[in-house]
Parts: sequence; structure tokens; C-alpha cells
Amino acid sequence: AQKITQTQPGMFVQEKEAVTLDCTYDTSDPSYGLFWYKQPSSGEMIFLIYQGSYDQQNATEGRYSLNFQKARKSANLVISASQLGDSAMYFCAMRERNSGNTPLVFGKGTRLSVIA
Amino acid sequence: DSGVTQTPKHLITATGQRVTLRCSPRSGDLSVYWYQQSLDQGLQFLIQYYNGEERAKGNILERFSAQQFPDLHSELNLSSLELGDSALYFCASSVSTGQSSGNTIYFGEGSWLTVV
Repeated sequence: AQKITQTQPGMFVQEKEAVTLDCTYDTSDPSYGLFWYKQPSSGEMIFLIYQGSYDQQNATEGRYSLNFQKARKSANLVISASQLGDSAMYFCAMRERNSGNTPLVFGKGTRLSVIA
Repeated sequence: DSGVTQTPKHLITATGQRVTLRCSPRSGDLSVYWYQQSLDQGLQFLIQYYNGEERAKGNILERFSAQQFPDLHSELNLSSLELGDSALYFCASSVSTGQSSGNTIYFGEGSWLTVV
């Protein structure tokens, strides 16, 4: 069963605007971590932000914030003030803890294009 | 720079051949993960090692094998290569097996394998 769902294959955003990339997940493990990675066209996988299942506050890292809605099992990434360099693939991933510290499971990704 | 080093960055080889991909984890990281990224399969977890021992196995083919050495670097061996093995192979590392689900997994830049 797919554990991470990213329903937006592609998104466009105007430069300097904010954009939200959707991610829903499925787990029965009460302890888990949610991650977002950025993959530019050059191929490397860049860690952006992390949210733990027990964290009370939504995670923020600079222009990136994670809109964590635990009851809805969603972990959307919000990028504020988009820049041309934000154009890339974005992957949501999850790691369960109590099920044996599983490796990251990734969604299929969302391709973000920032337009000048 | 994530601190995870992968070599080679690009590799072109013929069907039926064998190649070895090498990974040096971040300083202090004991866990190494291998992922395969192809256009049709997305990011697939292959195998995880922790301090020299295999910890988790994913969708790794029998033609593929890996190991982690005492100095914690890891190698992924791909044999009897087929056209479908063409992909971007990532190595990633983290501090522990992930007793805390917050242990971020950092990725190397990947090794692009083309089988012709």
C-alpha cells in the first residue's frame, strides 16, 4: 500500500509568490517523521525540512514551512517568496519509528516550476 | 554539500557487465542506505547497513549486493546488468538506525548508471 501520496505531478508558481505542495501519508505507527527533499535538475537530493509526529509546532526552515495536520495525515510544504532557483522536483518522505526504524519511503514527487 | 560522497558520478557500461558504486557517509554516520531512482519506479529503497551489518532490505535484486566496510564506507555491486538497471543510484547516511525518527537522512549526489 502506498504510504506517501503526492497528488500534484506538476505545479507552476509566479516568482515571489507562495506555493503549497501537498503530501498525505498513511501509517499506523504513532511515532514517525516526515521529510521534504528537493531534487534540482542536476540530480542531487537536498534535505529541506523535518516534522516529527509528536512535534507540537509546525516546522520552519527559512522560506520553507511544513503545514502538519496530524488528524488529516497531511504534511504540506509551503514555500514562501518563490525564487527561480526553487524550480525542481520536491519529494515528501516518511520514516516510521516503532515498526523497526524503517528507511525513508518517498512519494512520487511534484515538479515545481517558478515563472519569472 | 551533504557530506555524503559517491563515486563515480557517471558510468556507462554494457549489458551483462558488473559495476561497483562506492559511498562514503558523512563523518560520524553509522547508517548507510542505497536507493535507486528510475523514471518508471521512482525512488526505491534497496538496502540499509548499520555499522557494518545489514539492517533492512528493500526491493534489491539478487543480481545486486552491497556491503559496509569497517571504515563505514559502502559499496553497491550490480552484476549481469540489464538495460532496465539504468538509473540514478543514491547513497544516503544518518547517525543511527533511527531510534529517533528525526534522524535526518542525507543523500549523496548520486551515481548515474547507463547500461547500453
